[in-house]
Amino acid sequence: QVQLQQWGAGLLKPSETLSLTCAVYGGSFNTYYWSWIRQSPGKGLEWIGEINHSGGTNYTPSLKSRVSISVDTSKNQFSLRLTSVTAADTAVYYCVGFRWGFGFDPWGQGALVIVSS
Amino acid sequence: DIVMTQTPLSLSVAPGQPASISCKSSQSLLHSDGKTCLYWYLQKPGQPPQLLIYDVSNRFSGVPDRFSGSGSGTDFTLKISLVEAEDVGVYYCMQSIQFPYNFGQGTKLDI
Repeated sequence: QVQLQQWGAGLLKPSETLSLTCAVYGGSFNTYYWSWIRQSPGKGLEWIGEINHSGGTNYTPSLKSRVSISVDTSKNQFSLRLTSVTAADTAVYYCVGFRWGFGFDPWGQGALVIVSS
Repeated sequence: DIVMTQTPLSLSVAPGQPASISCKSSQSLLHSDGKTCLYWYLQKPGQPPQLLIYDVSNRFSGVPDRFSGSGSGTDFTLKISLVEAEDVGVYYCMQSIQFPYNFGQGTKLDI
């Protein structure tokens, strides 16, 4: 049973860099594509991007210039970095595992990140 | 980008009654490998979303059989045969045939 645990700073000022990390427990780290998904307050779900165990990435075009996802296979962890944040980046950020043909599961518990001056 | 459009956006159903949610994609979700990259998720209040249905009609592990998915190409439906109180939340469809992966706007189910 794969489980995810995520952490990172919850309060940022505009122009700072958002940084979150997700640890993967159980299962095969290499089987999944590891994604970040965010949900703005009261809004729907937005896929940010993904990384595989080899470091190959895909990002949503609207965030591509500010986002990077990295992986540390020695620790079974992956991380999200989003630069130059604004209030529009305030959201709950989820780390998620994706398997082709099965979709997004498991999900991390979510981390609320607030951007405010 | 592929646009996912759900209807209705909200639904109020009495316990024991059926419910149905439609999801339409702006492009076909049929992959060359034969899979159709359409999923359904339920987000219960205060929780992360949970996977209900993958590949249009396959129930994920532990999902009750009152949930069923159907459809093909660009038109899909999630049905709940007999709604229970624990089914409240927001239902999302999602596509993974093309980047960026996109979700529908969500359908809020109330009892």
